[in-house]
Amino acid sequence: EIVLTQSPGTLSLSAGERATLSCRASQSVSSSYLAWYQQTPGQAPRLLIYGASRRASGIPDRFSGSGSGTDFNLTINRLEPEDFAVYYCQQYGSSPTTFGQGTKVEIK
Amino acid sequence: QVQLVQSGAEVKKPGASVKISCKASGYTFNNYYIHWVRQARGQGPEWMGVINPSNGVTKYAQRFQGRVLMSRDTSTSTVYVDLSSLTSEDTAVYYCARDPDVSSGYLVYWGQGTLVIVSS
Repeated sequence: EIVLTQSPGTLSLSAGERATLSCRASQSVSSSYLAWYQQTPGQAPRLLIYGASRRASGIPDRFSGSGSGTDFNLTINRLEPEDFAVYYCQQYGSSPTTFGQGTKVEIK
Repeated sequence: QVQLVQSGAEVKKPGASVKISCKASGYTFNNYYIHWVRQARGQGPEWMGVINPSNGVTKYAQRFQGRVLMSRDTSTSTVYVDLSSLTSEDTAVYYCARDPDVSSGYLVYWGQGTLVIVSS
């Protein structure tokens, strides 16, 4: 199965700054079938990005995804207070689908 | 609107089984696969398997083979996951979730989660 490694483990930033999160796959992710989710405490994950770069419905344009093959990024421009959360990547191009271990974006 | 409502928290002893339900509403139940994903505290989500509600066909992650059973009741638009031979490593929040389209693979709609605690 494809292993997804996210870095950094924790990102300490201030509101208004830009966050860049990385997700590296152990094998190429076919057709850029890579998604990103946001999770706040006590809540289910919320889909942000699918197909590596397509924003899900209702997601603000300060969230953007990029990458292909084995290297993918999630960028959050101008962090808002509600963006401080844990972010997970998921590959769904190969079975079984797998998730990364997460990056926590915390307030500096 | 699409809703997935799960059953309540469970506390089980090692070796026991747990069965969690997920009731779907707001869409045609038979038309979309339902996935089960679990998440231990502080860990990333882990996919357990998927069920096609129209015919009951299932696909399970290899690590759960022989220990998991997914089923559905079309009369109540409810899917179930049954996990047996529980150990402390099965302590987690269990989610049901749905693709936006048939077999898209990414998950848009999620249940609220069911906490399962395995403890003697």
